[in-house]
Amino acid sequence: NAGVMQNPRHLVRRRGQEARLRCSPMKGHSHVYWYRQLPEEGLKFMVYLQKENIIDESGMPKERFSAEFPKEGPSILRIQQVVRGDSAAYFCASSPLLLRERDTEAFFGQGTRLTVV
Amino acid sequence: AQSVAQPEDQVNVAEGNPLTVKCTYSVSGNPYLFWYVQYPNRGLQFLLKYITGDNLVKGSYGFEAEFNKSQTSFHLKKPSALVSDSALYFCAVRDRTSGGSYIPTFGRGTSLIVHP
Repeated sequence: NAGVMQNPRHLVRRRGQEARLRCSPMKGHSHVYWYRQLPEEGLKFMVYLQKENIIDESGMPKERFSAEFPKEGPSILRIQQVVRGDSAAYFCASSPLLLRERDTEAFFGQGTRLTVV
Repeated sequence: AQSVAQPEDQVNVAEGNPLTVKCTYSVSGNPYLFWYVQYPNRGLQFLLKYITGDNLVKGSYGFEAEFNKSQTSFHLKKPSALVSDSALYFCAVRDRTSGGSYIPTFGRGTSLIVHP
């Protein structure tokens, strides 16, 4: 059972371009979470999705950022018109159950490191 | 909102010595606490969790953590450190977002450096 797969591992974009980050959850996991890790900071929650539904986007910036998790294929985090402040590591995690279930934890991918030049 | 604090940005320990990475929490209700480790240029790996039961929780790679309700702490420990344990360690608590979902909320992380 492969772990959470993220690609690309590294992504360089010029200011104003679009960045697309992909995440394939672990097999059998239907819950996906995106986090952003800024330099010298911890991980900040961005968005929680289930198949074809955004469940909670309370941590995602209101502009330029969007996420989806289609019925088929990976989850996508999309950043439009990137700015230098978007440079960070973006991590995806998945879980088989709702995290309010007692014996569930989230499994993380290796992250995509976005650099905006 | 629930939160965790990791008071040390960096912990230095000699190989073979015991190590402790500190974490304190602030929750309402019963805390669900986690430790994750992040090796350089890697994702987070789950180490252990406390849900209920014994206050001493054993996890991967010889790590354990002690839940102390009176001190609201969940310190990570290992009896004998290895150089390969050098990494970034995150304490997390299950939190409920403003949107009503349960997700892990992370501390800022503690860099553990084990010297040969």
